[in-house]
Amino acid sequence: DTAVSQTPKYLVTQMGNDKSIKCEQNLGHDTMYWYKQDSKKFLKIMFSYNNKELIINETVPNRFSPKSPDKAHLNLHINSLELGDSAVYFCASSQDRGQGDTEAFFGQGTRLTVV
Amino acid sequence: QKEVEQNSGPLSVPEGAIASLNCTYSDRGSQSFFWYRQYSGKSPELIMFIYSNGDKEDGRFTAQLNKASQYVSLLIRDSQPSDSATYLCAVNSAILTGGGNKLTFGTGTQLKVEL
Repeated sequence: DTAVSQTPKYLVTQMGNDKSIKCEQNLGHDTMYWYKQDSKKFLKIMFSYNNKELIINETVPNRFSPKSPDKAHLNLHINSLELGDSAVYFCASSQDRGQGDTEAFFGQGTRLTVV
Repeated sequence: QKEVEQNSGPLSVPEGAIASLNCTYSDRGSQSFFWYRQYSGKSPELIMFIYSNGDKEDGRFTAQLNKASQYVSLLIRDSQPSDSATYLCAVNSAILTGGGNKLTFGTGTQLKVEL
């Protein structure tokens, strides 16, 4: 199936741990994103990569470090996890057609719970 | 002022009625606008996008854009219980040099279609 897939789907971990979330898209898109959705359902962009280059880096603690080994993969590593990091993290991808009409396709989300 | 604003709802409509969802945005330079539907525990999925003033229809859905008023809406005709979900308005607030887009989301409106 063509899709954006991210693993794991659920992640429960203790404060202070370091964890990674992986994302892969086989849609051939040039751009990939990480979004965070908090308990109030607000979906906020964290990072965007275009052809492996960082394009958007919103105000995110530097404990969050994205890595894009190639344009089909965008992973998110989080150091020293805090309770406030608990959220659903969505990976997404899009293909820029140059007119701003690009839709973003989302992965199924990773529900991170920090205890 | 939030960049993209939506009434969080819930908006309750009877089955068969027209549901009207509204969104305002602050960036006058925004060029394209998206409506996503998100079922509970699922990832957002695109319903429609619009980038020209006026109406755009797709089946039971109509998107309306008024750039002068910085307003975009989604009408759902003949609402069905399966339409019950959170509807997210997203605005392409930047077309970035080097590719990619920056989709800024509203907080979403919860729609409930009642039998």
